[in-house]
Amino acid sequence: EPEVTQTPSHQVTQMGQEVILRCVPISNHLYFYWYRQILGQKVEFLVSFYNNEISEKSEIFDDQFSVERPDGSNFTLKIRSTKLEDSAMYFCASSEKRDRVVNTGELFFGEGSRLTVL
Amino acid sequence: AQSVAQPEDQVNVAEGNPLTVKCTYSVSGNPYLFWYVQYPNRGLQFLLKYITGDNLVKGSYGFEAEFNKSQTSFHLKKPSALVSDSALYFCAVRDLGAGRRALTFGSGTRLQVQP
Repeated sequence: EPEVTQTPSHQVTQMGQEVILRCVPISNHLYFYWYRQILGQKVEFLVSFYNNEISEKSEIFDDQFSVERPDGSNFTLKIRSTKLEDSAMYFCASSEKRDRVVNTGELFFGEGSRLTVL
Repeated sequence: AQSVAQPEDQVNVAEGNPLTVKCTYSVSGNPYLFWYVQYPNRGLQFLLKYITGDNLVKGSYGFEAEFNKSQTSFHLKKPSALVSDSALYFCAVRDLGAGRRALTFGSGTRLQVQP
């Protein structure tokens, strides 16, 4: 069964440092997403990406955040200058198969990258 | 705007008893509704979805959910709980009327099944 993979599983960084979280979505999916979860609580939407551009973003996704699909497989989330409140579990997800006529929209999630900002 | 409410932070049930985890939603158009489960230190795992058709949908691990349009609810149920069902459960909605693809998640309900 194809799956979404994320690296690193855990990253510890100092406040103000740049962090890049990496994801490999399911290969024939069209939409990619980043969500975050603080301390096992609510899962919050950050951004979605389609056809090499951002299709939706939330208020959380401010100028400190950026996403990129640098090649045909990776999807990255960059936080330019981390703050203490960026400490969270970041989940990548993908959806919608390229070759399916009707997509019902369930997202497939990776295992997450835990970011700890000190 | 689409939103989801899970009114219970935690649900406790004895093994073998039926369980219900509640979810209500708010959308501008027709909803796609989903349930996900999260085990400790893991990602979110898809359980089931309602798209159209039969209001009772069946999913993984014996779970089912009932779509009720008049009450805007999509409660998760299981006839007989297992200790291994103990986890964090999230309801999610996609608002077709808003043309969005991203899912909006509820705050989660922790299910504790006692032996």
